[in-house]
Amino acid sequence: EAEVAQSPRYKITEKSQAVAFWCDPISGHATLYWYRQILGQGPELLVQFQDESVVDDSQLPKDRFSAERLKGVDSTLKIQPAELGDSAMYLCASSLGRASYNSPLHFGNGTRLTVT
Amino acid sequence: AQKVTQAQTEISVVEKEDVTLDCVYETRDTTYYLFWYKQPPSGELVFLIRRNSFDEQNEISGRYSWNFQKSTSSFNFTITASQVVDSAVYFCALSGGVSGGYQKVTFGTGTKLQVIP
Repeated sequence: EAEVAQSPRYKITEKSQAVAFWCDPISGHATLYWYRQILGQGPELLVQFQDESVVDDSQLPKDRFSAERLKGVDSTLKIQPAELGDSAMYLCASSLGRASYNSPLHFGNGTRLTVT
Repeated sequence: AQKVTQAQTEISVVEKEDVTLDCVYETRDTTYYLFWYKQPPSGELVFLIRRNSFDEQNEISGRYSWNFQKSTSSFNFTITASQVVDSAVYFCALSGGVSGGYQKVTFGTGTKLQVIP
């Protein structure tokens, strides 16, 4: 089965620097999610796209985080400036459904971010 | 609002023992779906099972079984004859609709299972 591609796998950055993550979902999947997972906790939704539109960014710290999915395919999540508390695993997932909510999420391997 | 509670933070069992992972959820939706995911040390969450709110039949898949009880809002996961390869963090998740029709998925905090050889 096709996979969700994420890059980079690991990223170390200094605080106040900018950092960007990339995600390519499974072909044909309309919905794309960015989650943040702090060590020992469950994934927390940052932003959700349906095609190219943001449908939920209520938990996205908009003063420093931004996300886009310009053509409704791949997506980029950016942090500027990075803070120490941003150290976490950033997970991208995609699902097939649009108006349905029974679609399982398919996850990428994640990007492990360390802010020093 | 949706909420998923996995009260067991960590569980250790000896290989071949049976183990049950608990999941309790809260939702106001009448139609919703419940999922279990496995996150091995490599980090990628893997989908295990989906169950809709109208289907309370238990399901068995090999050594895995799931018990959905709507009356207690629980969706528990049992591994029979555990193996070392079952060592991972397991997440329960709830999916419901919101106005606008898009899928909202909420994860629990996970249960770390360690199977000791």
